Amino acid sequence: ILNVEQSPQSLHVQEGDSTNFTCSFPSSNFYALHWYRWETAKSPEALFVMTLNGDEKKKGRISATLNTKEGYSYLYIKGSQPEDSATYLCAFTDSWGKLQFGAGTQVVVTP
Amino acid sequence: ETGVTQTPRHLVMGMTNKKSLKCEQHLGHNAMYWYKQSAKKPLELMFVYSLEERVENNSVPSRFSPECPNSSHLFLHLHTLQPEDSALYLCASSQNLHPGRGTDTQYFGPGTRLTVL
Repeated sequence: ILNVEQSPQSLHVQEGDSTNFTCSFPSSNFYALHWYRWETAKSPEALFVMTLNGDEKKKGRISATLNTKEGYSYLYIKGSQPEDSATYLCAFTDSWGKLQFGAGTQVVVTP
Repeated sequence: ETGVTQTPRHLVMGMTNKKSLKCEQHLGHNAMYWYKQSAKKPLELMFVYSLEERVENNSVPSRFSPECPNSSHLFLHLHTLQPEDSALYLCASSQNLHPGRGTDTQYFGPGTRLTVL
């Protein structure tokens, strides 16, 4: 994998359900993996920065895991709420500290 | 005011106009960035400044001209743009630019929605 890829591109979740989605990134020359949440008309907001293989991070109902050897990260949302509706971006950091972003997963939580 | 601010939030310009986008960060950061997001595409890095010096110009056409007069302000000067330059332009800052680390979180502004007619 040469670029950062996110799947699915979008998903619809019923309120109260849990969901997860994937970020794939180059497994060589890995430095860090970032997750951002981007609500419409707002600034992208940092969720997690992960650096170590096997890292797990949690913020409220949102958590993320990291596998640097195979080049993927999962983001989980437990018990989705309408306020979780946003586009979730992941970004891979190269040796210069520059972020290479995926296209995002758009999550829509319906009541 | 805190965080990263951008003005204007919306801009419509003709192909012969000259305009500027402004970004200001109130976080005491040393690195600032311009990104472009076109519809359904990933954020695309345009320019990076570290301690007011440009360290990256990501093959951006010369009709985009950045300026970083101090560590708190970043401008993007626009002239003779094309309709395909219509996009959301985001500014971001981070504490430092760390070669070999890349763990500093970037803080983003809300963006300027640019439409070129």
